[in-house]
Amino acid sequence: GAVVSQHPSWVICKSGTSVKIECRSLDFQATTMFWYRQFPKQSLMLMATSNEGSKATYEQGVEKDKFLINHASLTLSTLTVTSAHPEDSSFYICSVIAGGRWTQYFGPGTRLLVL
Amino acid sequence: EDKVVQSPLSLVVHEGDTVTLNCSYEVTNFRSLLWYKQEKKAPTFLFMLTSSGIEKKSGRLSSILDKKELFSILNITATQTGDSAVYLCAVNTGNQFYFGTGTSLTVIP
Repeated sequence: GAVVSQHPSWVICKSGTSVKIECRSLDFQATTMFWYRQFPKQSLMLMATSNEGSKATYEQGVEKDKFLINHASLTLSTLTVTSAHPEDSSFYICSVIAGGRWTQYFGPGTRLLVL
Repeated sequence: EDKVVQSPLSLVVHEGDTVTLNCSYEVTNFRSLLWYKQEKKAPTFLFMLTSSGIEKKSGRLSSILDKKELFSILNITATQTGDSAVYLCAVNTGNQFYFGTGTSLTVIP
């Protein structure tokens, strides 16, 4: 399967700062990556679909100006949480689809804590 | 509306027991069904199922899909404490993946 990395794995920041999370597809050229958020004891919530070379597609209720997604290459997508607030504290996970677009592989996730 | 439903929501068993986790779905344009295991980190891939009646097996885990009745099961035999996790089911309908809420499995020594 595809190997996906995320950086950083853990970040603590002050309220009002911006945080950038990188998602890399290490062995697969991903034209599409997904960004999820997961709160404790809840299932994954799709935030947006990141398409290489074009604008991301955001799910209903996700603020595109707050969660900036850039998919500048076939191996890298970034999610920037702008002006983070404590309620943005969550587990952010990216994924790529592979295997003829029928299988999804996840990165290890990034835990964000906003103080 | 496309949806994926998993049951039970949670399960507590003793080591050595066999468990069966269920995933039913109602989607348009089914492509595949996937099972993931999630511990205190991101989900890890277990199985992808596309055809009815063909069992996928990996060690003590196995899974099968019934496209007529629109469900899949994940079996774990001789459970171990390391099997404790949330098991997620997802259905791919092309570019969309719909996730169930997961089944939380706890295996007691």
